[in-house]
Amino acid sequence: DAAVTQKPRYLIKMKGQEAEMKCIPEKGHTAVFWYQQKQSKELKFLIYFQNQQPLDQIDMVKERFSAVCPSSSLCSLGIRTCEAEDSALYLCSSSPRGGNQAPLFGEGTRLSVL
Amino acid sequence: TQTVSQSDAHVTVFEGDSVELRCNYSYGGSIYLSWYIQHHGHGLQFLLKYYSGNPVVQGVNGFEAEFSKSDSSFHLRKASVHWSDSAVYFCAVSRSSGSWQLIFGSGTQLTVMP
Repeated sequence: DAAVTQKPRYLIKMKGQEAEMKCIPEKGHTAVFWYQQKQSKELKFLIYFQNQQPLDQIDMVKERFSAVCPSSSLCSLGIRTCEAEDSALYLCSSSPRGGNQAPLFGEGTRLSVL
Repeated sequence: TQTVSQSDAHVTVFEGDSVELRCNYSYGGSIYLSWYIQHHGHGLQFLLKYYSGNPVVQGVNGFEAEFSKSDSSFHLRKASVHWSDSAVYFCAVSRSSGSWQLIFGSGTQLTVMP
């Protein structure tokens, strides 16, 4: 089955600690997106990779996050210094470049910052 | 600026009822419109999308949506809901060219009573 895999499912960090979550995109997909979702509300776009290169990201990611796709089969999203407001579900999605196929989403990593 | 509005935060119906979840958007160019479903604690699952052609599109599990350019709407409908349809439903838009970077509405929690 087509799938985007995210690890870990749950992550607990203390305020000030570093956090890292991983995403394995669907095989053959060249675009990877990260979204942040708080309390089952709307998803907030964070960053977009095409062929492992970041093409668009919001200011918050530039300032406090680290995001890379070292290979076509693995991407990671990190938070350098966790804050309470970072507690959220982080969703990764992937899609083929252009085309008609809608993106697939992973199950997400739920980060709790204590 | 693209925006997506889902005016109903909560909709409650009984099993077997029909339901319509509303979505309005604003964007001046060509766009893809899509609907996703999110069960509690999980990622998003794609339901259906529209770009051009027949304004009524069929999706999975008996869902359909109708595009209206004059109303700037893309409402989701189902003729007879099941308790398992209880979830949060998100409407999303993306530019037709380039990436599948999505802008989401705030979501509608659908509760189906037995």
